[in-house]
Formats: sequence, structure tokens, C-alpha cells
Amino acid sequence: GESVGLHLPTLSVQEGDNSIINCAYSNSASDYFIWYKQESGKGPQFIIDIRSNMDKRQGQRVTVLLNKTVKHLSLQIAATQPGDSAVYFCAEKAGGYNKLIFGAGTRLAVHP
Amino acid sequence: DTGVSQDPRHKITKRGQNVTFRCDPISEHNRLYWYRQTLGQGPEFLTYFQNEAQLEKSRLLSDRFSAERPKGSFSTLEIQRTEQGDSAMYLCASSLERIRSYNEQFFGPGTRLTVL
Repeated sequence: GESVGLHLPTLSVQEGDNSIINCAYSNSASDYFIWYKQESGKGPQFIIDIRSNMDKRQGQRVTVLLNKTVKHLSLQIAATQPGDSAVYFCAEKAGGYNKLIFGAGTRLAVHP
Repeated sequence: DTGVSQDPRHKITKRGQNVTFRCDPISEHNRLYWYRQTLGQGPEFLTYFQNEAQLEKSRLLSDRFSAERPKGSFSTLEIQRTEQGDSAMYLCASSLERIRSYNEQFFGPGTRLTVL
């Protein structure tokens, strides 16, 4: 399949460790922030979102933290598994039509 | 499979040719989006439809690009007189409008365009 993000920063972790992926966003007026996972040859897959009036939201094995003061978003993945290997993008919802502005991706490589 | 589908998955064309891509959204979704993704980058917004109405177009969408959603269901994206710079993955996404909340966008697998 095709490779997404050949020159992206890479985070390498051991299977079972926790992963933290960081993202900086630009628009202080954005009201939603979303994390997407993209595997090679596939479209982005929704992981979790957070509204701008929240600081933290948890899902299954994932937690998103939002720091509006420094315009920073992070995705924490607990007990990282080989199936988590992918490119991860943060996105911000811009405008009333749900247009998404994607940030630079991070490749997560999980080693056994 | 009830997800977003795109056709073709891969298209190789010569510079100057016209190409057309199709997107079939999730059936009850009234919003449809087109994005373009180049290697090493996140998807970039191109255009958005609510039902059959095209409500927003990015400046990335030059005059050579046209998108339609004639019956508010499937959509087509046409690129005329393709250039090598058009080589990219073209992604379609759909969502269901919900008042006062984020409407999750579901992405299709994309159409990979290579212009020789």
C-alpha cells in the first residue's frame, strides 16, 4: 500500500508503553479539536474529539488534553499496541461548516 | 460496507488530460467534503456541500477543478488539463449535521492521482 507521511516526525515506543503525541494549533477561535489516525493506504479515521471549553476528555485507551493558553493539544494512548502504528493528525474545526484544518502528522511506530 | 466509498482508488494520467473522481457518502449524511493530501502532509480542505449546494470552496480549488453533488447523494470531482502538481490523494468525507455539536467526518479511502 502507499505510505503516508514519508518525512514526518516519528515517535517510537515499545509495545505496552504509553504514547504521547503533541500538536500545536493556530486558531484561538476554533471550537472543536479532533485527533485522526491514518494507516497506510487508508483515509483518516476519527479517534476522539474535544470541545474548546474542556481541558480533558477520555476514551477507550485514549485521552486528549487541551491547553488553550499555549494552543497545545496532546493525545495519550495507554498500553500502546502494534495496531496503533499509524500516522496521527490533529485537526481543528474552522468555521460554521465543520471545515477541518489539519496539523502536521506524527508517525507512531510500535515495537514488540 | 456502509462507509464512504471512492472510485477509482488509483488513477494514472498524462499531463493535460481530464480526470473525474466519484465519492459515495454514507447514505443519510447530508454534508460532503473534499480534501487533498500530499505525501508528508495532513489533508487540505478543498470544498464542501450541504445536500446539493456547494457552500464553500478553498482557494486551492483553481478554475480547473469542479465539484458537483447533483442529487445531494454522490459527488464528483473533476480536474481539467491536469498538471504534475495535481498529483495527490483526493479524500472525500461525509457527516450528518447535528445542531450545536461537532459533526464527525467519516473519510473514504481516497483516490490516488498520479500525473505523468
